[in-house]
Amino acid sequence: QKEVEQDPGPLSVPEGAIVSLNCTYSNSAFQYFMWYRQYSRKGPELLMYTYSSGNKEDGRFTAQVDKSSKYISLFIRDSQPSDSATYLCAMSITTGNQFYFGTGTSLTVIP
Amino acid sequence: DVKVTQSSRYLVKRTGEKVFLECVQDMDHENMFWYRQDPGLGLRLIYFSYDVKMKEKGDIPEGYSVSREKKERFSLILESASTNQTSMYLCASRLFSGANVLTFGAGSRLTVL
Repeated sequence: QKEVEQDPGPLSVPEGAIVSLNCTYSNSAFQYFMWYRQYSRKGPELLMYTYSSGNKEDGRFTAQVDKSSKYISLFIRDSQPSDSATYLCAMSITTGNQFYFGTGTSLTVIP
Repeated sequence: DVKVTQSSRYLVKRTGEKVFLECVQDMDHENMFWYRQDPGLGLRLIYFSYDVKMKEKGDIPEGYSVSREKKERFSLILESASTNQTSMYLCASRLFSGANVLTFGAGSRLTVL
């Protein structure tokens, strides 16, 4: 079993829709949870960063962590064509050098 | 903002060639990483450096070596390129060990013929 599982999609939604992206994980030691956005032929860029459980909001983006279910989500409200990208979840434990990445979900927002 | 620069965006090499991929960061980060990214496999860690001249193997170090002679520069070396090393290579850095945010470069797309 992989440490982090992420549905690869592809996901296609109309402009203005609410998008839900999800990852599950198996290691209960994970404490830091990140979402990266990667445009085609570019490197990943950090979108959201959350420590432990709870919600974090930044503009149209909300990151949610449910440690009891080992499940994290990224919600995008009022999705825009510029949100079309691959979204990677990533996790790490409190200390250490390893980051564990999902394989990414490809999102297309149709105008 | 930290900038991580990968000088070669697209490379085409032949089997058996020696390949150098260069990465430079401009914000005095202690740690630097090399990953490769393949469809369906996600990001896999090749090597990690926590300080100048210090390195640790990641999950897939075979066929690769690294060099970190200066704090800002981390090089990935393919001693004898093979077709199964065709991939997207991503360099990343972070401020110090224990910091939990990585900053990535734009990537180097390597094709080995």
